[in-house]
Amino acid sequence: DTGVSQDPRHKITKRGQNVTFRCDPISEHNRLYWYRQTLGQGPEFLTYFQNEAQLEKSRLLSDRFSAERPKGSFSTLEIQRTEQGDSAMYLCASSPKTGYGNEQFFGPGTRLTVL
Amino acid sequence: GIQVEQSPPDLILQEGANSTLRCNFSDSVNNLQWFHQNPWGQLINLFYIPSGTKQNGRLSATTVATERYSLLYISSSQTTDSGVYFCAAPLREETSGSRLTFGEGTQLTVNP
Repeated sequence: DTGVSQDPRHKITKRGQNVTFRCDPISEHNRLYWYRQTLGQGPEFLTYFQNEAQLEKSRLLSDRFSAERPKGSFSTLEIQRTEQGDSAMYLCASSPKTGYGNEQFFGPGTRLTVL
Repeated sequence: GIQVEQSPPDLILQEGANSTLRCNFSDSVNNLQWFHQNPWGQLINLFYIPSGTKQNGRLSATTVATERYSLLYISSSQTTDSGVYFCAAPLREETSGSRLTFGEGTQLTVNP
């Protein structure tokens, strides 16, 4: 399978715990994006990387959230001190860098439930 | 930022019927994507369509960039077409990396 992969697919945690999600993009894609989707809504942008550089973060990304992409390959998204409002589907996407508006391909998502 | 609006929000069809979903966007875009979200939450790419018309089997899409809208046509609908359809457009800003702004989706239900 050469698509975007995410791990884990589901995560249930208790409020206050830390969680970390992983995303492996399509191998030749140097742009990587994180989005969050809550029930009944479209996905919302969180942050994006070009190679290993994190170039933009949404205001949705509070200081409890941190993302990394070491060596410009896979990426991790960590949420510290989780809150019930963090319950959502976390989606990762990748695209090649060839200017504006490149086609993005999404992974299967990680569904987070905070109890 | 760009605003993306989809209509209708909900659509119920009998199997075999045709349908048209609409996506309006507030600013000029150099691309637009249509997705189908399956029951497990995965976004499946349907079309990457900056302008003109594309067809893929029973689905086709048309984007009229000058008038800021795109249409998704589903013909001879099947129960497996059920799900949420999203359109999404990228920001035209260098620093944005072409991050997508999504509409709120059209929930399609196809009954047997």
